[in-house]
Amino acid sequence: NAGVTQTPKFQVLKTGQSMTLQCAQDMNHNSMYWYRQDPGMGLRLIYYSASEGTTDKGEVPNGYNVSRLNKREFSLRLESAAPSQTSVYFCASMTDFNQPQHFGDGTRLSIL
Amino acid sequence: GNSVTQMEGPVTLSEEAFLTINCTYTATGYPSLFWYVQYPGEGLQLLLKATKADDKGSNKGFEATYRKETTSFHLEKGSVQVSDSAVYFCALNTGTASKLTFGTGTRLQVTL
Repeated sequence: NAGVTQTPKFQVLKTGQSMTLQCAQDMNHNSMYWYRQDPGMGLRLIYYSASEGTTDKGEVPNGYNVSRLNKREFSLRLESAAPSQTSVYFCASMTDFNQPQHFGDGTRLSIL
Repeated sequence: GNSVTQMEGPVTLSEEAFLTINCTYTATGYPSLFWYVQYPGEGLQLLLKATKADDKGSNKGFEATYRKETTSFHLEKGSVQVSDSAVYFCALNTGTASKLTFGTGTRLQVTL
């Protein structure tokens, strides 16, 4: 009954540090997504993976990289964190067009 | 490109009041439309959806009708409860890996 699981739930980094946000889904979904949520801006797509083995840029990809490790897992990496990347990050997955995306509970990331 | 415009919040209502949250969109092609809800500290959950013109999505007393002529998908509920307090997001997708475009969200607070 897990759905989409994100780790960690909270993280504080210093400017210039790197880290990887992990996401895993157990629903056998084909597509996976990474969003960031900032006050007054809704959710913005960072990267997505339409199927295992493919990744593409979304609306705000600069400063991020992703890896679709297998069908279940899709990670987001910050190579050199900047204060502008302070945000709440959400992972989502979906099976087919017109079906809803299922979201994880988010990772709250602060960069000092 | 695609875009979604939602009414600004916060919206504050007394319990049992009528709710309307306006949502209009611009899109190429024929989008599917969604309302998602986000409770404090959680990820987004699908509330309802509509996939073609004149469809009505409904769930938990909430309704929205896909109006192609006015490019709108307004969310309504006849009698809100304190437990409906949350942030509501209107969203659309038009295929192509089913990327969602979100509005900025509308915070609803319901008081006794």
